[in-house]
Amino acid sequence: KNQVEQSPQSLIILEGKNCTLQCNYTVSPFSNLRWYKQDTGRGPVSLTIMTFSENTKSNGRYTATLDADTKQSSLHITASQLSDSASYICVVSAASGTYKYIFGTGTRLKVLA
Amino acid sequence: DTEVTQTPKHLVMGMTNKKSLKCEQHMGHRAMYWYKQKAKKPPELMFVYSYEKLSINESVPSRFSPECPNSSLLNLHLHALQPEDSALYLCASSQGVKEETQYFGPGTRLLVL
Repeated sequence: KNQVEQSPQSLIILEGKNCTLQCNYTVSPFSNLRWYKQDTGRGPVSLTIMTFSENTKSNGRYTATLDADTKQSSLHITASQLSDSASYICVVSAASGTYKYIFGTGTRLKVLA
Repeated sequence: DTEVTQTPKHLVMGMTNKKSLKCEQHMGHRAMYWYKQKAKKPPELMFVYSYEKLSINESVPSRFSPECPNSSLLNLHLHALQPEDSALYLCASSQGVKEETQYFGPGTRLLVL
């Protein structure tokens, strides 16, 4: 069964600190993996996308890594800001031509001043 | 224009009402999606339109009726909803239907009384 699991479920950090969010998946055959940021009550916004051959992708203070062998990805946030408080969702697409995104359960991040 | 817009932002309706949610994009995308998202859960796919034709219906109850009048517009007609249908309804679009990045709208927050 295609599944995407994220950890931790929630996280609280102080402003300026770094943090790392984890994503493990069992989607096969794998096509790509995306990280989305979703502010409360808003639609998700794409942060990064990685294909099988990519190990790392950066978008400002966000750096995503992918290990296709172990089927794990991480999202590292550097020098966190209050505006980083949101849910971060890992989304995996299969390579079988399916229309569907397979969504992770998300990590809710709270950055405190 | 890289935006997906949704109206209304908020909607409160009774169980006997008929209402419609609207979604619009002007990115030339040929695939459009409706998702339902409950609090603290990932989005759940409801419908997929590809080239203005319904291509996926994820066993959604008939009280939800999608419509795609043209390639830029997607509607979701609501009738005789139940309180458990209260949720954030997200519209998304993508260039095609195979593995392309989906761009999400801000959502419509629906409350059924």
